[in-house]
Amino acid sequence: GGIITQTPKFLIGQEGQKLTLKCQQNFNHDTMYWYRQDSGKGLRLIYYSITENDLQKGDLSEGYDASREKKSSFSLTVTSAQKNEMAVFLCASSPDQNTLYFGAGTRLSVL
Amino acid sequence: AQSVDQPDAHVTLSEGASLELRCSYSYSAAPYLFWYVQYPGQSLQFLLKYITGDTVVKGTKGFEAEFRKSNSSFNLKKSPAHWSDSAKYFCALEGRSNNRIFFGDGTQLVVKP
Repeated sequence: GGIITQTPKFLIGQEGQKLTLKCQQNFNHDTMYWYRQDSGKGLRLIYYSITENDLQKGDLSEGYDASREKKSSFSLTVTSAQKNEMAVFLCASSPDQNTLYFGAGTRLSVL
Repeated sequence: AQSVDQPDAHVTLSEGASLELRCSYSYSAAPYLFWYVQYPGQSLQFLLKYITGDTVVKGTKGFEAEFRKSNSSFNLKKSPAHWSDSAKYFCALEGRSNNRIFFGDGTQLVVKP
């Protein structure tokens, strides 16, 4: 089996700071996703990528950048952290563009 | 437009009862439909999916779901429920013309021993 590794597990930032979240997968899946999960809510799609160097915007892409320089990695950048922002960012990959395999998440807190 | 609605934010039942978690969707064509589970402190795990064919699909952990095109629903079922089924359950939809997967807000299930 494979695994999706998200780093860091916890991220504390300052208002206005640029923050980068990383995701690595060893499934050899083509498609990767970034979702944001707010407390008590569902998942909202930020960016996805169907292959290396491809980027597709989701519904929540404003305020974020993404990068897929290798098939195995997909990074997400918060371009300017918002004060009191708290959320969990989930990375996922898919072998068939429907079944998702999720990482453990990165918990973001902005002071 | 694609959307998923899980009308019940919380469901509580006793161990041994039958559980049914509701999910309805909005999509102009035939969708792919999914259920995922999130146990406390963990990330989401895949339970089952409907792509085509039989409208009743079976997944892991004894769960099954029925796709009903007539009322755009994909309800999750299990009988009997066990206390270890307590978790948050998410219904999701993918349009066949794109790779965008939309999630509902989830249903928090509590099964009392």
